[in-house]
Amino acid sequence: QKEVEQDPGPLSVPEGAIVSLNCTYSNSAFQYFMWYRQYSRKGPELLMYTYSSGNKEDGRFTAQVDKSSKYISLFIRDSQPSDSATYLCAMSARGGGADGLTFGKGTHLIIQP
Amino acid sequence: NAGVMQNPRHLVRRRGQEARLRCSPMKGHSHVYWYRQLPEEGLKFMVYLQKENIIDESGMPKERFSAEFPKEGPSILRIQQVVRGDSAAYFCASSPEQSNTEAFFGQGTRLTVV
Repeated sequence: QKEVEQDPGPLSVPEGAIVSLNCTYSNSAFQYFMWYRQYSRKGPELLMYTYSSGNKEDGRFTAQVDKSSKYISLFIRDSQPSDSATYLCAMSARGGGADGLTFGKGTHLIIQP
Repeated sequence: NAGVMQNPRHLVRRRGQEARLRCSPMKGHSHVYWYRQLPEEGLKFMVYLQKENIIDESGMPKERFSAEFPKEGPSILRIQQVVRGDSAAYFCASSPEQSNTEAFFGQGTRLTVV
């Protein structure tokens, strides 16, 4: 079992729809959870960062963490064609510059105009 | 405010040659991370460095790969005697002190071994 599981997609939705992206993980030591967006041939861009369980909202994006289920989600409201990209979840057990991140494989999202 | 700078963006090497990948962190960032992204795979952590120190190299292959982050100049990832399996995108990330969870990535170096 991989440490972080993420459905690679592609996930195709019409413009304006609510998008739900998810990751599951097996390492209960993970406490820091990130979502990155990666456009083709570009580097990952940090979207959201959450510590422990709970919700965090930033504009059209909402990140949720359920540590009891080892399940994290990213919701995108009012999706736009410019949101088409690969979304990577990432996790870390220790903050403070202590270790690298463990990534999912990424979900390829396509927003249809 | 320049971001994380990686060069070259594309690198072609013949089998057996050496590849040197450079990463200049964002201004004010003292932590550097190297990741490798193989085709159809997620990013895999390789090594974490601070100035003049390797903090965690648990993701580095045991042979042919090395990394450094000198007091002056960029961080260097060196791959000796490259093989076709080394073909991948190599990303560098940097973060401020005490905040690896807010790592900012460069655009990557795409290494092709022919």
